Amino acid sequence: DTGVSQNPRHKITKRGQNVTFRCDPISEHNRLYWYRQTLGQGPEFLTYFQNEAQLEKSRLLSDRFSAERPKGSFSTLEIQRTEQGDSAMYLCASSPSLGGDRTDTQYFGPGTRLTVL
Amino acid sequence: DQQVKQNSPSLSVQEGRISILNCDYTNSMFDYFLWYKKYPAEGPTFLISISSIKDKNEDGRFTVFLNKSAKHLSLHIVPSQPGDSAVYFCAASPFGNEKLTFGTGTRLTIIP
Repeated sequence: DTGVSQNPRHKITKRGQNVTFRCDPISEHNRLYWYRQTLGQGPEFLTYFQNEAQLEKSRLLSDRFSAERPKGSFSTLEIQRTEQGDSAMYLCASSPSLGGDRTDTQYFGPGTRLTVL
Repeated sequence: DQQVKQNSPSLSVQEGRISILNCDYTNSMFDYFLWYKKYPAEGPTFLISISSIKDKNEDGRFTVFLNKSAKHLSLHIVPSQPGDSAVYFCAASPFGNEKLTFGTGTRLTIIP
């Protein structure tokens, strides 16, 4: 299967701990996105990368959140000093960035469900 | 401010009939629209998209209609099948910016 993969699928942590999630995009997709989804809501944009460059960050991404894509392939999302309000599904997506005047479809991974106790 | 709205949280349709899911948007800068389907414990799966230069796009049993003047789009599924039971999300993005804004979803249940 060459789809987007995310690890871990589930994470339970205590308030105040740090957590890190990993996303492996579809190979040769040079755009990678992070979204967060809470119960009863649609996914909300957090940030995205074009290769290794982080091009946009949402105001939802507080100082406790940091995302990296060091070699333009996989990406990590770290949350420091977790709070109960961080409990959500964290989704990663990738797109091929074909350029021109078309918008590229984003393909999503299965998500990492975070529970902060 | 909810820029993409799906006002029906749930919809039940008899197997074999047409399912129609609706979506409204408020941001006139949106020019690309997508529908995703989501099963529990999985990420959203892309279904079909439409750009603002078109008013209809078809892919098999799925057709998306766009009414720009009304800022409204709809997804038609014909005929509906039990495997179509899932949550459907409408999403939109402005030209040149791939940040997607999602609606809150509609849970579709197909009754055998």
